[in-house]
Amino acid sequence: GAVVSQHPSRVICKSGTSVKIECRSLDFQATTMFWYRQFPKQSLMLMATSNEGSKATYEQGVEKDKFLINHASLTLSTLTVTSAHPEDSSFYICSARDRRHTGELFFGEGSRLTVL
Amino acid sequence: GIQVEQSPPDLILQEGANSTLRCNFSDSVNNLQWFHQNPWGQLINLFYIPSGTKQNGRLSATTVATERYSLLYISSSQTTDSGVYFCAASNSGYSTLTFGKGTMLLVSP
Repeated sequence: GAVVSQHPSRVICKSGTSVKIECRSLDFQATTMFWYRQFPKQSLMLMATSNEGSKATYEQGVEKDKFLINHASLTLSTLTVTSAHPEDSSFYICSARDRRHTGELFFGEGSRLTVL
Repeated sequence: GIQVEQSPPDLILQEGANSTLRCNFSDSVNNLQWFHQNPWGQLINLFYIPSGTKQNGRLSATTVATERYSLLYISSSQTTDSGVYFCAASNSGYSTLTFGKGTMLLVSP
């Protein structure tokens, strides 16, 4: 299967700072990547769809000015949590579709954010 | 959007037992996947199965698209099978997946 990698896997930051999470497709090109958030003991909820070379599409209730998404190349999407607050603490996971594996989505390892 | 429901929410097994996890979805699908989320949070792809039956070792899955459900079978369970199993589906070719709430599986020695 295809490989999607995220970095960092864990990050702790102070309230008010910004944190950037990277999502890379290692062995394929991804014109579209998806960002999910997962709170403890809950399911994954889609935050936004990241499109290479264009603006991201955000799900209802997700603040686009707080969660900045940049998909600058066919192998890299970044999620920046701006002015982080403790309620932003969560597990963030990205995914991408490899067109060689029709329809199947592959997920990164996830990034656990803790805001103090 | 499509709704995905999983059952049971929790399952406790003795090592060596078999189990069946169910996933119901509200609309026709063109993508259905099963995942195992390990203790570190990583989602492991188990099956891509919008229809039909597949097997991989002790795991197998069946999706009956006309009746809008999918089943994941785990045979001869091992302690390493513990974790959360998610079913996720989509009904649009280029959209992402909608996840069910998962089944928390605990396999005890």
